[in-house]
Amino acid sequence: QSVLTQSPSTSGTPGQRVTISCSGSSSNIGSNYVYWYQHLPGTAPKLLIYRNNQRPSGVPDRFSGSKSGTSASLAISGLRSEDEAGYFCAAWDDSLSVWMFGGGTKLTVL
Amino acid sequence: EVQLVESGGGVVRPGGSLRLSCAASGFTFDDFGMTWVRQAPGKGLEWVSGLNWNGGRTGYADSVKGRFTISRDNAKNTLYLQMNSLRAEDTALYYCARGQTAREGLDVWGQGTTVTVSS
Repeated sequence: QSVLTQSPSTSGTPGQRVTISCSGSSSNIGSNYVYWYQHLPGTAPKLLIYRNNQRPSGVPDRFSGSKSGTSASLAISGLRSEDEAGYFCAAWDDSLSVWMFGGGTKLTVL
Repeated sequence: EVQLVESGGGVVRPGGSLRLSCAASGFTFDDFGMTWVRQAPGKGLEWVSGLNWNGGRTGYADSVKGRFTISRDNAKNTLYLQMNSLRAEDTALYYCARGQTAREGLDVWGQGTTVTVSS
């Protein structure tokens, strides 16, 4: 499987800011856009961030994305209980000609 | 509302075949490339295949090349994945997603259909 590296889990308290990271290489994150998704079991993944730092309409501005070199981050500010979910990153890999996905980070809101 | 609904999953014996469908609604289907992604039990997401707006350009993961065929019927707003010579390792939840290229991204996903390959 083609995997970008994410920490398996993170947590925060309501109102806090948390950051989820995604690490890749020069052929994927280093040279292509990064996308971030929220995923709850049994549901369709939902796009949160596209093209590194753009938010689709309807996604709260509490969610923000950034990219530097071969790494990317998703930040969630003003944490809310409904943010408890899985989050994964994705980027196209030019060398392998495949979409690569992060293993997912489970966010727990304490 | 933009929506993708997968169907066609089920239980099949090793060596068998299945055809998955993904019905699209709420957008102009032939404006977009489309993609299949799967997630095996306890594993991460794996890109399976993608094709451009008219099906003229396709790509496959090495793990399915020669066994799976992606196609689309723009008149029916439907994406397909023909899966032949199925193996136990093809057991997964299969998602279809709108988009194909790095620039498009995969912006809308379905809820998935489950394929189980078992004797």
